[in-house]
Amino acid sequence: DIALTQSPGTLSLSPGERATLSCRASQSLNSSYLAWYQQKPGQAPRLLIYDASSRATGIPDRFSGSGSGTDFTLTISRLEPEDFAVYYCQQYGSSPLTFGGGTKVEIK
Amino acid sequence: EVQLVQSGAEVKKPGESLKISCKGSGYSFTSYWIGWVRQMPGKGLEWMGIVYPGDSDTRYSPSFQGQVTISADKSISTAYLQWTSLTASDTAIYHCVRLEGGDIAMAGQGWFDPWGQGTLVTVSS
Repeated sequence: DIALTQSPGTLSLSPGERATLSCRASQSLNSSYLAWYQQKPGQAPRLLIYDASSRATGIPDRFSGSGSGTDFTLTISRLEPEDFAVYYCQQYGSSPLTFGGGTKVEIK
Repeated sequence: EVQLVQSGAEVKKPGESLKISCKGSGYSFTSYWIGWVRQMPGKGLEWMGIVYPGDSDTRYSPSFQGQVTISADKSISTAYLQWTSLTASDTAIYHCVRLEGGDIAMAGQGWFDPWGQGTLVTVSS
């Protein structure tokens, strides 16, 4: 199984600041098969990014994804109040499909 | 609009059986894998497995193989997750998801979009 390690566990930032979230895979992912999701309290997760860097429909361009191989990054260029949430990465390069443990972005 | 609508919250006792559902709409239900993701209280996401409603092919995470059954009824565009004997450790929110990804999705791999609203299952004596 491919394990995904997300860091940091918690990121404390202020609105307007830049957020950089990391996702590291235990093995190289085929063709950058990595997605990112946002989950707010009491809500289902929402797809943000797929194929490491493609934004899902309706996702603002302040969200961007990058990376390949084993190291991937989700960047939020300027945090809006609604962006404070938990973010998960997910790999689909091999089965079983796996998720990272999540990074919580909280208001400082 | 593509939607997945799940059945309501359940409260069960240990040892009881349960089947929860997820109805898809707004797309060709038989053309996409549909699956389940577990989220235990205050914890992260775990992929459980998927079913292809077109031919009922199923794939399970090794962690859940033999613990649950995933199925689908294409005549009513509904997928199911069932347990024969619940335990307290099954207490969680269960999310229904559609698998996306073009060519790789046909092989049972891909990302999840959209997500259902989640079904809370509570198992307590």
